[in-house]
Amino acid sequence: GESVGLHLPTLSVQEGDNSIINCAYSNSASDYFIWYKQESGKGPQFIIDIRSNMDKRQGQRVTVLLNKTVKHLSLQIAATQPGDSAVYFCAETHGSGNTGKLIFGQGTTLQVKP
Amino acid sequence: EPEVTQTPSHQVTQMGQEVILRCVPISNHLYFYWYRQILGQKVEFLVSFYNNEISEKSEIFDDQFSVERPDGSNFTLKIRSTKLEDSAMYFCASSPDFSTDTQYFGPGTRLTVL
Repeated sequence: GESVGLHLPTLSVQEGDNSIINCAYSNSASDYFIWYKQESGKGPQFIIDIRSNMDKRQGQRVTVLLNKTVKHLSLQIAATQPGDSAVYFCAETHGSGNTGKLIFGQGTTLQVKP
Repeated sequence: EPEVTQTPSHQVTQMGQEVILRCVPISNHLYFYWYRQILGQKVEFLVSFYNNEISEKSEIFDDQFSVERPDGSNFTLKIRSTKLEDSAMYFCASSPDFSTDTQYFGPGTRLTVL
């Protein structure tokens, strides 16, 4: 069945260190992947996305890596700051017959220690 | 920067009552969505909507749920007879099109059913 999962529920890092948040997905038909950040009491906020024809995409301080062979997605945050503390969700969707339905993973809580 | 807005931020209702959750999507977006998030859990897809029709709905979106775009700006989710298990955060999202896929989320409405 469809599932998108995260390897760790909580990740604690020191301010200034790099963070890596992992995600596994099960549907090989998925062709679009997104990382969202959710702060307490707020809606998911788009961070970065990647399509299945790529294996790496970089943004400002963030990098998403996609390994289609093992169906694994990761989000790397460089020089983690206190403002990065939030829950991070990976989400995926299918291109064929796409109706926009996003399937979210469980979420990883990132805690940044000063 | 344009954003999705939702009202009310918190809705408290009695079991069996009808509720209407309101959303104003980003103005040039054509695709609209509702998701829900039970406390501490992942975000779950409810429905996608385009051209005044439902494109896809999940198994959660049963006959008690309906969506409507009553005018050019609002997008509503109605729950006809609320149940205790409907208590959750409800997020509206919109995107320019399905193929773009980047969905922008509103801040959510917290629904509490007593």
